[in-house]
Amino acid sequence: EDKVVQSPLSLVVHEGDTVTLNCSYEVTNFRSLLWYKQEKKAPTFLFMLTSSGIEKKSGRLSSILDKKELFSILNITATQTGDSAVYLCAVCNNAGNMLTFGGGTRLMVKP
Amino acid sequence: GAVVSQHPSRVICKSGTSVKIECRSLDFQATTMFWYRQFPKQSLMLMATSNEGSKATYEQGVEKDKFLINHASLTLSTLTVTSAHPEDSSFYICSARRDFPEQFFGPGTRLTVL
Repeated sequence: EDKVVQSPLSLVVHEGDTVTLNCSYEVTNFRSLLWYKQEKKAPTFLFMLTSSGIEKKSGRLSSILDKKELFSILNITATQTGDSAVYLCAVCNNAGNMLTFGGGTRLMVKP
Repeated sequence: GAVVSQHPSRVICKSGTSVKIECRSLDFQATTMFWYRQFPKQSLMLMATSNEGSKATYEQGVEKDKFLINHASLTLSTLTVTSAHPEDSSFYICSARRDFPEQFFGPGTRLTVL
């Protein structure tokens, strides 16, 4: 059974801080790892990672995958209150259609 | 592009009634749609995978007779919660897959069963 574990469960920081969110996984026939941001409603797509060591970047957010250690991190620099959300990590294998989600990290950025 | 809508966004119903939730991919064709359930402060739990023109594949523990899924076209899937009870109250989210494996999520439907 595929498994995704995210840490920390929750995090409170102040604006301007840098945060690192962690995602470890166990999956048979790994294909890709995806990061989503969920505010009040549905998750919105952030990154999809398939290769080790290649950083994906979008503004203040960046993510990287380590397929040897079965691990990914999501970095957010110079955090803003608008970054407050639940960040979800999900993995997909080659065999199935589905995504297996981690439990999420709840980030709160205080002014 | 890649917009997914859900209707209704919120529904309140009495125990014993059936509720239908629609999920539409507005600007792309989705051969596969997914239905998730999310309890407060928890992650998304996959309920079923819906493929156009065929029967849905349900995850273990999800009652197929209670959660009826119909994927009538490449842009529409429906989830019907039959004889809803208070324990069915939850946030239901659909997603549609355009390019494997990325999924685009609908805005969700909050169901409250009194």
